[in-house]
Amino acid sequence: NAGVTQTPKFQVLKTGQSMTLQCAQDMNHNSMYWYRQDPGMGLRLIYYSASEGTTDKGEVPNGYNVSRLNKREFSLRLESAAPSQTSVYFCASSERQTQGYGYTFGSGTRLTVV
Amino acid sequence: SQQGEEDPQALSIQEGENATMNCSYKTSINNLQWYRQNSGRGLVHLILIRSNEREKHSGRLRVTLDTSKKSSSLLITASRAADTASYFCATDYGNNRLAFGKGNQVVVIP
Repeated sequence: NAGVTQTPKFQVLKTGQSMTLQCAQDMNHNSMYWYRQDPGMGLRLIYYSASEGTTDKGEVPNGYNVSRLNKREFSLRLESAAPSQTSVYFCASSERQTQGYGYTFGSGTRLTVV
Repeated sequence: SQQGEEDPQALSIQEGENATMNCSYKTSINNLQWYRQNSGRGLVHLILIRSNEREKHSGRLRVTLDTSKKSSSLLITASRAADTASYFCATDYGNNRLAFGKGNQVVVIP
């Protein structure tokens, strides 16, 4: 019972490089989310997908793109990495957005941009 | 931004004592949730309280919600060293997103 799986766990990028963070859930959840966590800032929502086929911007979407590939997978792409994108990235999923379901989080991707 | 804000930010207690954390928010909510994060790990959902509920229990956890004061509290009774973690409140404003506070660091000293 894996829950939410994120890959990779660690990554170092040079400024300007691109990469895709992968996220997959095996709980048949409808909604998926990408957050970033920075010291003293809590978690900030980057993008979310309320259901398969839909994506929406969160609080801090600039510099990122997402793809809801299917119901299981939701990827986050950095087209041209910047040092300000150094952070820990968390993917999460929930059964559905409404009616108050808790989120299940992955273990995170620690990204450093130099 | 309309995020939950936890208070106090850091708490250090002896094993066996109770730990209380508070969270405030700005506008009406559908529900409020508490999460725990151990160092270097993802967040784990602890408990959810809906806007029409005033108190909820789960094991050693007790959550209260006061919608008139726009605040919630999380009580951990008889704390253990394993409770050492950061605790986050998260508010569901019904706009397809969950807004997290900055977190509360709790250290339980054996």
